[in-house]
Amino acid sequence: EVQLVQSGAEVKKPGESLKISCKGSGYTFSSYWIAWVRQMPGKGLEWMGIIFPGDSDTRYSPSFQGQVTISADKSVNSAYLQWSSLKASDTAMYYCAIMRGVSNWFDPWGQGTLVTVSS
Amino acid sequence: DIVMTQSPDSLAVSLGERATINCKSSQTVLYSSTNKNYLAWYQQKPGQPPKLLIYWASTRESGVPDRFSGSGSGTDFTLTIGSLQAEDVAVYYCHQYYDTPYTFGQGTKLEIK
Repeated sequence: EVQLVQSGAEVKKPGESLKISCKGSGYTFSSYWIAWVRQMPGKGLEWMGIIFPGDSDTRYSPSFQGQVTISADKSVNSAYLQWSSLKASDTAMYYCAIMRGVSNWFDPWGQGTLVTVSS
Repeated sequence: DIVMTQSPDSLAVSLGERATINCKSSQTVLYSSTNKNYLAWYQQKPGQPPKLLIYWASTRESGVPDRFSGSGSGTDFTLTIGSLQAEDVAVYYCHQYYDTPYTFGQGTKLEIK
């Protein structure tokens, strides 16, 4: 079964750093793009960026460029989303999802990682 | 950026009745060289990640009930639920993967009347 399993919920203070993960199984992890999507509380879906684990080719939404870093380690079938200095406005659910190609839909999705940033 | 606008924002339909959700893109998502519309639909139930229903605007994902159908081309698309079931209560999103930044509609909340 193709699936993505994300790391657990995080509670952080403003200014702290964070790295969350997304581990793939049931398929050749290095051969498919991974997308990251933000969903703020009670809001819709926002595409953040994508990475191709095979060569770490990464593309960011302009809205998130410089705000987060997307990376991958194909040796452990994992992709990552990280912040160097969290803000309260980063409080959201973050999903990873598989893309079969650059111009492709997102399926399946991970279960999501809830990040709460509060002083 | 391609702006995706869904209508209505919320919808209440009786069990067994038809539900129709519209999605309009600010520019075409029909790629002429492939003649495919780069448009997908997702269903998101409370506390769950989105689930793919439809891709290429009208291709139903494996395992999705046939009461779900997608139609449209270019800039105007529709998701139709032929006979509403209780388990269809959810928020539905359209999504263009024609060009980056990939964008989603704002979502349509579907409830039972």
